[in-house]
Amino acid sequence: GAGVSQSPSNKVTEKGKDVELRCDPISGHTALYWYRQSLGQGLEFLIYFQGNSAPDKSGLPSDRFSAERTGGSVSTLTIQRTQQEDSAVYLCASSGTFNTGELFFGEGSRLTVL
Amino acid sequence: QKEVEQNSGPLSVPEGAIASLNCTYSDRGSQSFFWYRQYSGKSPELIMSIYSNGDKEDGRFTAQLNKASQYVSLLIRDSQPSDSATYLCAVEGTGGFKTIFGAGTRLFVKA
Repeated sequence: GAGVSQSPSNKVTEKGKDVELRCDPISGHTALYWYRQSLGQGLEFLIYFQGNSAPDKSGLPSDRFSAERTGGSVSTLTIQRTQQEDSAVYLCASSGTFNTGELFFGEGSRLTVL
Repeated sequence: QKEVEQNSGPLSVPEGAIASLNCTYSDRGSQSFFWYRQYSGKSPELIMSIYSNGDKEDGRFTAQLNKASQYVSLLIRDSQPSDSATYLCAVEGTGGFKTIFGAGTRLFVKA
């Protein structure tokens, strides 16, 4: 597709359940980011993939959060044993090999944990 | 100290005025700087990038960078109500190049 695609756009889950959020970056983009944005807040960095390098996981808030990127393209963010404080919009962004800071964002996945 | 700091605002300016948005960053080795605009309920979109000291102009937008002072700013000339949004400053760090965002400044342009 032409842009970054995220699914689901909305997810409501019960506390303690696991959720998976998917991101399909722009074709050819080597860098992929996950950010979290709580209501009225800024973007919190979660994880960064760049090509075949080891991902930068320094922003993951706990070991309940994990992410993988298969084949250098699609990425999945998994949250295990969800908590109410996990409720937020999860944004995925990708960028090309050059100008790696020029990010293109998906529409986000809004997660609500009841 | 936060890595990227912005005044959260809100900043309110009348239509036609100049809006000035400011940002400071802590990583002295950073080389790439960006301004994103985020409308309420939408995702951020890139509006300006700047890599060298000085000014960079694009239409009504001017980005200014001063690496010695670790300071980035965005000027919006002839502000329009449609410019009302949150403006996010972003900095690409060294040693890994992950991009870190400030908390954003909310701008209101009054008609």
